[in-house]
Amino acid sequence: EAAVTQSPRNKVTVTGGNVTLSCRQTNSHNYMYWYRQDTGHGLRLIHYSYGAGNLQIGDVPDGYKATRTTQEDFFLLLELASPSQTSLYFCASSDWGGSSYEQYFGPGTRLTVL
Amino acid sequence: QEKVQQSPESLIVPEGAMSSLNCTFSNSASQSIWWYQQHPGKGPEALISIFSNGNKKEGRLTVYLNRASLHVSLHIRDSQPSDSAVYLCAVSHRGSALGRLHFGAGTQLIVIP
Repeated sequence: EAAVTQSPRNKVTVTGGNVTLSCRQTNSHNYMYWYRQDTGHGLRLIHYSYGAGNLQIGDVPDGYKATRTTQEDFFLLLELASPSQTSLYFCASSDWGGSSYEQYFGPGTRLTVL
Repeated sequence: QEKVQQSPESLIVPEGAMSSLNCTFSNSASQSIWWYQQHPGKGPEALISIFSNGNKKEGRLTVYLNRASLHVSLHIRDSQPSDSAVYLCAVSHRGSALGRLHFGAGTQLIVIP
């Protein structure tokens, strides 16, 4: 069964703080994604990747960096956290399924920036 | 940029009723449309997808896609309290890079026992 794990599950930091969110998938998928979810906005794509060392910019990239170190691991970095980055963050992975890509999501990380 | 809009924002139905959720998208080049279910404290989980114009049925779920009107609907027959969740509509584009999906804001479904 497809598996995506995220850590930490909850994080509280202060404005200006440094945060790294981790994601690991054991699906052998090529594609990985970072989203944020906020009330009224649904899921918004921050960064995504099609393999180790590759990085693509999503729709809301400002204030975020990402790095894909292996096929399994994708990290989201907030180097100077701001209160506007308080949100629920999801990681997902996918691969081509014939007519579309089904994305498999992790359980999420709730980040609070004070 | 693709715009995906869902309605209603919330829906309350009694157990055993039909639940009907709607989604409109802005790009006629949209390829596949997905419906995801999200329970509180969990990540979204894919329920059903549709590629061709028309309808697709899986168990209690039926999806209708009308590309001409850029509209897709999800119908849940015999709704159960366990169906209570947020339902997200997501659209992918033909030739879209890396299989990215564009999500709507979701419909909160509450099924009353």
